[in-house]
Amino acid sequence: EAQVTQNPRYLITVTGKKLTVTCSQNMNHEYMSWYRQDPGLGLRQIYYSMNVEVTDKGDVPEGYKVSRKEKRNFPLILESPSPNQTSLYFCASTLTSGRNEQFFGPGTRLTVL
Amino acid sequence: GNSVTQMEGPVTLSEEAFLTINCTYTATGYPSLFWYVQYPGEGLQLLLKATKADDKGSNKGFEATYRKETTSFHLEKGSVQVSDSAVYFCALSDTYDKVIFGPGTSLSVIP
Repeated sequence: EAQVTQNPRYLITVTGKKLTVTCSQNMNHEYMSWYRQDPGLGLRQIYYSMNVEVTDKGDVPEGYKVSRKEKRNFPLILESPSPNQTSLYFCASTLTSGRNEQFFGPGTRLTVL
Repeated sequence: GNSVTQMEGPVTLSEEAFLTINCTYTATGYPSLFWYVQYPGEGLQLLLKATKADDKGSNKGFEATYRKETTSFHLEKGSVQVSDSAVYFCALSDTYDKVIFGPGTSLSVIP
């Protein structure tokens, strides 16, 4: 089954404790992206990657890191999480570019205390 | 910079009513335009898209037309069902492949 998976689905952590949210897709897509969803703000793009070793900032990259060492994986790293990063996070992938249909993961609910 | 504006929700309609959700955008160049839908507790799914001016996207009874002259991409459905209750997001992809979403419009359809 074609899908985008994220782990964990739920995470509660404390300020400053480094964490990684994993994202994996099995569709051989080149383009992957991370979003955060906050009430009243919709989805905002954090980072995107157009291929292996190619990443670029979205609209809200501060406080986040990403890497794309393999085509299928695109982890999101919070080196020192803060309470304002409490949010619902979605990973998405698409065949070649943001102009194609994006396939979304189920989301990760992160709470930073 | 580029942006997407949607009508504020929530929107509550009776079953079989006509639906319009307004979406306007600001972008340089020729963006692609999308409507995504998010059902409760799920990720987003593509509902329809249009890639150039005057294109009409359609799916599951929903339609939207890419209007470059008014920079709009309004979502319409002639007769909504309870199962259409969800949050609807308008989005664009710009010439640099960045994707920008609107804030979302929550729709509730009551029997």
